[in-house]
This record gives sequence, structure tokens and C-alpha cells, in this order.
Amino acid sequence: ETGVTQSPTHLIKTRGQQVTLRCSSQSGHNTVSWYQQALGQGPQFIFQYYREEENGRGNFPPRFSGLQFPNYSSELNVNALELDDSALYLCASSDERVGSSGNTIYFGEGSWLTVV
Amino acid sequence: GNSVTQMEGPVTLSEEAFLTINCTYTATGYPSLFWYVQYPGEGLQLLLKATKADDKGSNKGFEATYRKETTSFHLEKGSVQVSDSAVYFCALLIQGAQKLVFGQGTRLTINP
Repeated sequence: ETGVTQSPTHLIKTRGQQVTLRCSSQSGHNTVSWYQQALGQGPQFIFQYYREEENGRGNFPPRFSGLQFPNYSSELNVNALELDDSALYLCASSDERVGSSGNTIYFGEGSWLTVV
Repeated sequence: GNSVTQMEGPVTLSEEAFLTINCTYTATGYPSLFWYVQYPGEGLQLLLKATKADDKGSNKGFEATYRKETTSFHLEKGSVQVSDSAVYFCALLIQGAQKLVFGQGTRLTINP
């Protein structure tokens, strides 16, 4: 049990639609990151939020956006969905800015998105 | 750049066999190293970690030693069980950076 919960667990969307995925972190975890894991691949970093501000971004287009809220919840929004967006989306949280030596990053169970 | 290369799978072993999953890395700084495990239909769970050279991480019978001279962090277990069947990911985190960099994963299947 990591204390990180995600919703929904599975969803199907049509190409061109928009989707919002949600994450609830452990209390006190002020850093949240989102990763995309395509089938058979390792997770790829999308972006990170620290104290409600974006604090780093991977190689993903602007149609991937996020929000972090004061109550340790966060959202990943994807606009204009493409077939290649089909993947497992993982939320990860930690209790300090990622990169500090020794801190542990906790993952949720993910949201499976299928774009048809 | 920073990258992680894992032994290609799938790996299939019999119960009680010895396990090694190789992991090597390239890093521009001084990384912390991790092994995560993903059971079927689930998210990632931290298995073990090491934050500096020569550290040994261990958990649930699994071990990995941070070898700076060979830039490696191989995962080992002396006697695997059917319940160890999962996908294993090696990852690194550069101090001061914002992201984990993962290998491609190694699928492990243990037969009774």
C-alpha cells in the first residue's frame, strides 16, 4: 500500500477527445509526477509539480497538462487524444523535491487509457 | 544523457532457481539507483534502492549492489518463488533532477 490512489482505473476514449486523470497523494507529499507507460515499455516522465507549480517536463507536447491542488490531489489532462496516447498513466508522489538523496517515490496503480 | 539498459526478457526459471537480472546505466551526475516491481495489473512498487557507490539494497530476499566502476546495479535472488513472477524495472535518479529514468523492464516468470 503506497498511499497514492488514482482514478479511473480504466477508460476508453475516442481520438480527438479530452481526458482528465486524477491522483490523490499521501498527506504531506508536496511533489507529484506523472509517467506514461506504453505496453511493454518502461515508464516515461511527463512532468512534475512541486507545491502547485510545474517543476520539470519530459518530451511531451503541450496538449499534456497538469494541475496540483493544496489538498495533495492532482490531475493530468490530455487534449486532442491520439491513438498513441493509449497507455498506463502512473502518478508518483514524494515528500520533498525529487532529486534529494535518498527520498522514496511512491507510485499509484495507474489509469489504463485506451484511445480508439 | 542519462539512460538505463536492462537484460532483455522474458526470463523463465523454475522455482528455487538463482536469479540475476542485469542492469547497467549511463549518468551525467551521481545517481541513486532503484529496482521497481510491477505485478500483473498493478502499478509500480519500490523493491530496493541504493544511493551511493558500494551500497547494497535488499528486500524480500532480493539484493543489488551499486557498482560505480562497472556502472551496474544487477538484481539477484538466491531462490525464486512462483510469487516473484512480475516485471522488474531498473531506474536511476540524478540528484537535483526531477525524474526517474527507467529501463525497458524484464518480465520474469517462475514455474512450479
